[in-house]
Amino acid sequence: QQQVKQSPQSLIVQKGGISIINCAYENTAFDYFPWYQQFPGKGPALLIAIRPDVSEKKEGRFTISFNKSAKQFSLHIMDSQPGDSATYFCAAQGLTGGGNKLTFGTGTQLKVEL
Amino acid sequence: GAGVSQSPRYKVAKRGQDVALRCDPISGHVSLFWYQQALGQGPEFLTYFQNEAQLDKSGLPSDRFFAERPEGSVSTLKIQRTQQEDSAVYLCASSLVLGSKAYTFGSGTRLTVV
Repeated sequence: QQQVKQSPQSLIVQKGGISIINCAYENTAFDYFPWYQQFPGKGPALLIAIRPDVSEKKEGRFTISFNKSAKQFSLHIMDSQPGDSATYFCAAQGLTGGGNKLTFGTGTQLKVEL
Repeated sequence: GAGVSQSPRYKVAKRGQDVALRCDPISGHVSLFWYQQALGQGPEFLTYFQNEAQLDKSGLPSDRFFAERPEGSVSTLKIQRTQQEDSAVYLCASSLVLGSKAYTFGSGTRLTVV
């Protein structure tokens, strides 16, 4: 049972463009929604995160939009750069047992072209 | 250390062989998690430790998988009688305080079963 659905699977954006990745969750017990960035051969690294009592969070070029009623959230990368090329995972956490274990989406492979 | 260290980085095992994967979390980190990441997929939760106590092992796929953290620092994930479906990257993550949602992941061990 996939509890966090992510799309698209892959994305190609021109340098300076906006990258948008979408996720949807099912379990209303989730109360924290992080995004992780993963480069080849490395572990995931926390990029930005949001709690469900906030509809938007912005950190630099990265923005999370959160729609609690629709159980959806998205990552926007403004002014995308070639260095942003990586795999992005949305995730969800909650006190459902397991000490804040993460439930990940399936990932989006982003390529930013010059 | 400065980050979460995992060893070995790569492991090739013959089917039926036992393997042991090591995780050195950041010094002082209370919580430690193991995740399994199949090729092209998001990481999936395996097990969780708070200090030396294994509080959740619901994600371990079979009784061939065993994890321990005897002194509350270094952890070992052991896989007995490896099968081809065990081929994946095994990621370790740690967090400083109980209840923290901020993890630091290691770079993982890539296990290939031939």
